[in-house]
Amino acid sequence: EADIYQTPRYLVIGTGKKITLECSQTMGHDKMYWYQQDPGMELHLIHYSYGVNSTEKGDLSSESTVSRIRTEHFPLTLESARPSHTSQYLCASSTGTGVYGNTIYFGEGSWLTVV
Amino acid sequence: KQEVTQIPAALSVPEGENLVLNCSFTDSAIYNLQWFRQDPGKGLTSLLLIQSSQREQTSGRLNASLDKSSGRSTLYIAASQPGDSATYLCAVAKGAQKLVFGQGTRLTINP
Repeated sequence: EADIYQTPRYLVIGTGKKITLECSQTMGHDKMYWYQQDPGMELHLIHYSYGVNSTEKGDLSSESTVSRIRTEHFPLTLESARPSHTSQYLCASSTGTGVYGNTIYFGEGSWLTVV
Repeated sequence: KQEVTQIPAALSVPEGENLVLNCSFTDSAIYNLQWFRQDPGKGLTSLLLIQSSQREQTSGRLNASLDKSSGRSTLYIAASQPGDSATYLCAVAKGAQKLVFGQGTRLTINP
């Protein structure tokens, strides 16, 4: 079983609030990712990190920001939440040591509803 | 731009049947292909990873194949059980672990 944890699992907040979704992994993985998934739709990569102090934007434009100060933590922040941010946010990590990539492990997700 | 398509979108079969889920992708220049399982309200669990140089992988009752030249992969589930009910997602890695996902096949196994 993967050791990657997300908090909170479920969150309902008002428009304009600042929120941070936490993600931590105990596997020592260098690579971490944030995906966004609307109900019944594909996952889309919004942020990724290849190590400490490394962050990049993914394929889907997002108003969120991320930081990677420690290997095990990869928090995602929305400075001013809007209803359009309502979605499921999934954090993931991988070792990335293989030439062609390695198995990626996902957390259970954070369901965000902005009202 | 890489696009991943999964057919069918939903599938319902009686318990005990063997079944095949299909995945197709438009750009054959992939690093690997992974099949995941997603249960309602949960994250994803990796089932099988096929490197670009491989043609298939097996784990228990699951067998995944990869044909890069035709842009296709299949996930074969033998002797299906009600516990196999979930959404199955296919994803291709277009760069080191940058995955592009399909919309998934929602599988229901009826007792």
